[in-house]
Amino acid sequence: AQSVTQLDSQVPVFEEAPVELRCNYSSSVSVYLFWYVQYPNQGLQLLLKYLSGSTLVKGINGFEAEFNKSQTSFHLRKPSVHISDTAEYFCAVSGSKSGANNLFFGTGTRLTVIP
Amino acid sequence: DTGVSQDPRHKITKRGQNVTFRCDPISEHNRLYWYRQTLGQGPEFLTYFQNEAQLEKSRLLSDRFSAERPKGSFSTLEIQRTEQGDSAMYLCASSPRFGANVLTFGAGSRLTVL
Repeated sequence: AQSVTQLDSQVPVFEEAPVELRCNYSSSVSVYLFWYVQYPNQGLQLLLKYLSGSTLVKGINGFEAEFNKSQTSFHLRKPSVHISDTAEYFCAVSGSKSGANNLFFGTGTRLTVIP
Repeated sequence: DTGVSQDPRHKITKRGQNVTFRCDPISEHNRLYWYRQTLGQGPEFLTYFQNEAQLEKSRLLSDRFSAERPKGSFSTLEIQRTEQGDSAMYLCASSPRFGANVLTFGAGSRLTVL
C-alpha cells in the first residue's frame, strides 16, 4: 500500500513571496503522484500530476512540483503567491500498476497568504 | 460536460435517521469513487465502481453504509441509522476507464448528524 506525509499542517506566507509545500510518500511499487487544491466548502481540484517522464511537472495557477525518487518526495512550489492561493493543498499517491484504483491522500497543508 | 455533480450539498439529520447522497459522474467516465473527508483530514477512500460493479470497499465502509450504481451512470451512497461520527464531507469522483487514475471530484455533500 501507499501512504503520504505532508509535514506542514499550516504554512503562512506573505503575498508575492515564494512557497514550498512538502510531500513525502511511501510505496513499494512505482507510483503516480498528484497535488489537489481545495477551496472552502468546495471539492478538490487537480493542480498537477506526475505520471512518467520529466520529473519537473507544471500545473495550473503557476504551481510546479518535482518528483524526487531517491528522496521519495513530491514538493509543490510557486515562485510568487497571490491572495487567491489561500486554500488547503493535498498531496496524493496512487500505485501505477493495473488494478491500483485508489488515491491515498495526505492530511493536507493549509496555505494562508498574508497581504 | 458539467463535471461531477453531487446532491444534496448539505444535509442535517438527527442521529438514527437514514440519509442518501447522489453522485452524477462525468458522462464518459466509467469509474466512480466515494471518499469521506472529516475536519482537518485528507479524503479517505470508501468504495469504487467500474461501470455498475462495486469492485472495492474500504474497511471504513461499515454495514450501515451501502453504495450502488445500478445502471453504471449515477451512484447513491446511503447511510442507515446515522451516528454523530458519520458527520463528514462525502466526496464523489470519477475517472476514465483507461490510463492513470486522474480523478475529477465533485463539490461534496456535507453531512451533519445532530
